[in-house]
This record gives sequence, structure tokens and C-alpha cells, in this order.
Amino acid sequence: KAGVTQTPRYLIKTRGQQVTLSCSPISGHRSVSWYQQTPGQGLQFLFEYFSETQRNKGNFPGRFSGRQFSNSRSEMNVSTLELGDSALYLCASSFTGDTGELFFGEGSRLTVL
Amino acid sequence: GQQLNQSPQSMFIQEGEDVSMNCTSSSIFNTWLWYKQDPGEGPVLLIALYKAGELTSNGRLTAQFGITRKDSFLNISASIPSDVGIYFCAGQLRAGGTSYGKLTFGQGTILTVHP
Repeated sequence: KAGVTQTPRYLIKTRGQQVTLSCSPISGHRSVSWYQQTPGQGLQFLFEYFSETQRNKGNFPGRFSGRQFSNSRSEMNVSTLELGDSALYLCASSFTGDTGELFFGEGSRLTVL
Repeated sequence: GQQLNQSPQSMFIQEGEDVSMNCTSSSIFNTWLWYKQDPGEGPVLLIALYKAGELTSNGRLTAQFGITRKDSFLNISASIPSDVGIYFCAGQLRAGGTSYGKLTFGQGTILTVHP
């Protein structure tokens, strides 16, 4: 059974640019959550999608957005990048999103210069 | 945002020793989970706890959900080199729509095992 796949694994952007990250969940999982991981703040919840609908959102500015497609694949976008957006962005999938038992991908490491 | 206090921050132990780490919160959770993250990987679920007072084992790992619902601990017995990594506690407050996909994580315990 294939795990959660995230692309790209590494990327470098400059301030002011935007970035789109992609996540393919485990087959059959309809809930996709996104997390930001930094040394200072740790793992922080961004948002969760289920059946193409955002059901939950963390405390991040509107520059952070996401969407989910009918095949449960998800993308997240960060616009007007800031230096502080440098982080590991992790996608996690689960069947329903309400048990806490999340399956994480390897992450996309974003560096903003 | 809400934080879990996880301790210790790091541990250096000899292979074969037992390990204990814990997590406390100022507010209650109705699910406690423990994840492990290896370098270059995403966190992997080790144990999930759903009832206050619950004690659950997974091989050499044992975790407990505190009676107050504000704490949890993880024990690893007879550590081996592959136990090296970062261990995270996580809590979920299952309260309808605000809980979907949302876990609150501790800051992690970095475990080093010397052979």
C-alpha cells in the first residue's frame, strides 16, 4: 500500500514569490491535513480537507491556502513568501480525520531566501 | 497557540536501558498519541490512547493516558540503536468540527542511544 506522497521534496524560493505543494494521500483516505514544522514553533496545524471541503483551519495568515480535489489529492499554496515561511511542510492523511491517527508524508522542505 | 509540555527535551542512553518521557497540558484532551520522527521522514504513529487511565503497549513501547486527561507518558524498554529519533506526544480534543485533522504536538524528545 503506497504511503502519503509529497512533491516536491525540496525547493528554494525568494521573498515575495509564491509556492504550491502537492500531496497524494493513501488510497481510500479522504481526509488530508497540512502541518508546518519549524525548529522554533514545532509542528503547527495549518488546515484539514475532506471531500474537497476545508473543515478545519489553524492560526495562520490568509497567505496560506489549500484545496482538495475529487480524488482526495491536495495542494497547499503560500503566497508572498516571507523568510519565516522556511519550514518543513507535512501532509497527513486518514480515513475520516477525526481519530488523530494520521499518516504523514516525508514533507516538502521550503527554503525562502 | 496551545502547547504541550514535553520532557525531557533530549536523552542520551546506553543500549539496553529503559526510557521514559512525558507530556503535560494545561487543558484536557480526549485522545493522546505518540509519534516518532526519523531524520528526513514524517512522523510515524506509535501508540494512540482514547480513554483516561488507559495503558497500552506496542512491543517494547508502553504508553498511558493520564486520569486527569491532561498528561501522558511513554516508556521504551530495553532500548536498541534503531530507537534513535525524535518522539512527539500529541493531543486531540475531539469536539466536533474544530478537531478534524488537528493535533497539538509537544516540542519533542530527542533520543540518542549509544551502542
